[in-house]
Amino acid sequence: EAGVVQSPRYKIIEKKQPVAFWCNPISGHNTLYWYRQNLGQGPELLIRYENEEAVDDSQLPKDRFSAERLKGVDSTLKIQPAELGDSAVYLCASSRRQGLNTGELFFGEGSRLTVL
Amino acid sequence: GQSLEQPSEVTAVEGAIVQINCTYQTSGFYGLSWYQQHDGGAPTFLSYNGLDGLEETGRFSSFLSRSDSYGYLLLQELQMKDSASYFCAVHSGNTPLVFGKGTRLSVIA
Repeated sequence: EAGVVQSPRYKIIEKKQPVAFWCNPISGHNTLYWYRQNLGQGPELLIRYENEEAVDDSQLPKDRFSAERLKGVDSTLKIQPAELGDSAVYLCASSRRQGLNTGELFFGEGSRLTVL
Repeated sequence: GQSLEQPSEVTAVEGAIVQINCTYQTSGFYGLSWYQQHDGGAPTFLSYNGLDGLEETGRFSSFLSRSDSYGYLLLQELQMKDSASYFCAVHSGNTPLVFGKGTRLSVIA
């Protein structure tokens, strides 16, 4: 079974530029998450999808961040314009619906963003 | 809101046993999970405790006391490859996991 796939693995951009990250979850996983992880910190939730519906996006900075999950499979996270403080690893995870009750999320290897 | 406390760093000797503690504050508590993350890698699921007591999976065990809002991860027969960051994470109601800041474990020879 293929794991969660993310791209790009690394991205370096200048501030005020746009950037987008892509995630393909594990087949059959209805729930998809985007987390942000700063150096030396734990992952922090940005948004959660149940199929194509965003059900928890209270932590997403909506002035510059946007996300979509068309057809309830792949997802894209966009930042426009990027700021220096957005430098972090952006992690995508997926789970079956019951993952909420068992704690088991499957993470991709992340997209490391550096904003100069 | 939710908050979790765990030590920032722990060092232990190869072959020894180490315990990483986690205390939490949350409402509507469901359970406590543990994740391992090697540098540059993805967090990987280790264990989940929904009920009080000890869960054992090979060299790793996890414990939960709901009345004390406390849990720990126990790693036995430490190996060099166990050097990583370990995160506790809480489930509350229908909200997704909230992670602690992580404990960086260094295993030394």
